[in-house]
Amino acid sequence: AQRVTQPEKLLSVFKGAPVELKCNYSYSGSPELFWYVQYSRQRLQLLLRHISRESIKGFTADLNKGETSFHLKKPFAQEEDSAMYYCAPGGGNKLTFGTGTQLKVEL
Amino acid sequence: DGGITQSPKYLFRKEGQNVTLSCEQNLNHDAMYWYRQDPGQGLRLIYYSQIVNDFQKGDIAEGYSVSREKKESFPLTVTSAQKNPTAFYLCASSIQDRVNEKLFFGSGTQLSVL
Repeated sequence: AQRVTQPEKLLSVFKGAPVELKCNYSYSGSPELFWYVQYSRQRLQLLLRHISRESIKGFTADLNKGETSFHLKKPFAQEEDSAMYYCAPGGGNKLTFGTGTQLKVEL
Repeated sequence: DGGITQSPKYLFRKEGQNVTLSCEQNLNHDAMYWYRQDPGQGLRLIYYSQIVNDFQKGDIAEGYSVSREKKESFPLTVTSAQKNPTAFYLCASSIQDRVNEKLFFGSGTQLSVL
C-alpha cells in the first residue's frame, strides 16, 4: 500500500533558522514527488516537484531513494513561510498526501 | 479570473439526506478530482475524472457519486449511504491526469451533519 509519513504535526522555528520538514514514503514503483503548501486563508497549491529540480521561495527538496525520503529544506526561515506543508508522492490520480506539517516561524 | 470555484463554502446535511457539492473550473483542464480531508489526516481521493463522461473511483468512493457531463463541472453528491460525511471537501483539476502534472485546488466545502 502507498504510504507517506510526515512525522511532525507542528514545527516551530525562529526567523533566520534552518528548516527541514521531513517526509518518508512507501510506494511501489518510482513515484513522482511533490510538496504542496497552504498559506493562511489561501488555497492548497503546489510548492515544488522533484522532476523540476527547482528551488521555490528558497525551498529545495532532495530525493533519497535509499531512505525513501523527500525532505523539504530552507536554509533561513522567513515569517511568510508559516503555513501547512504536505508531502505527496505519486502522480495523477495516484497522488497520496501526507497528514501535513504546520510550520510556524517565530520572530 | 481563472480558477476553480467550489460552492457552497459551508453545507449542512440532515440524516438520510443527499447533498451535492459544486465544483466548476474555467482552466480548460481535462482532469478533475474530489478529495476528502479529515482533521489530522491527509487528503484522500474520492473520485476522479480524466475526461468528460468518464470517471473512476478513488480510495474512498463508497457513499459518494459524481457526474462529468461538462468539461468544466464535476459535482459530488454525498449520499445517505455515507455514514460519516462530516469533513472538508476539496476539488482539484489538472491539465491532464499525468504523473507530473500539478493540481489546482478549489477553496473547499465544509460539510457538517445536523
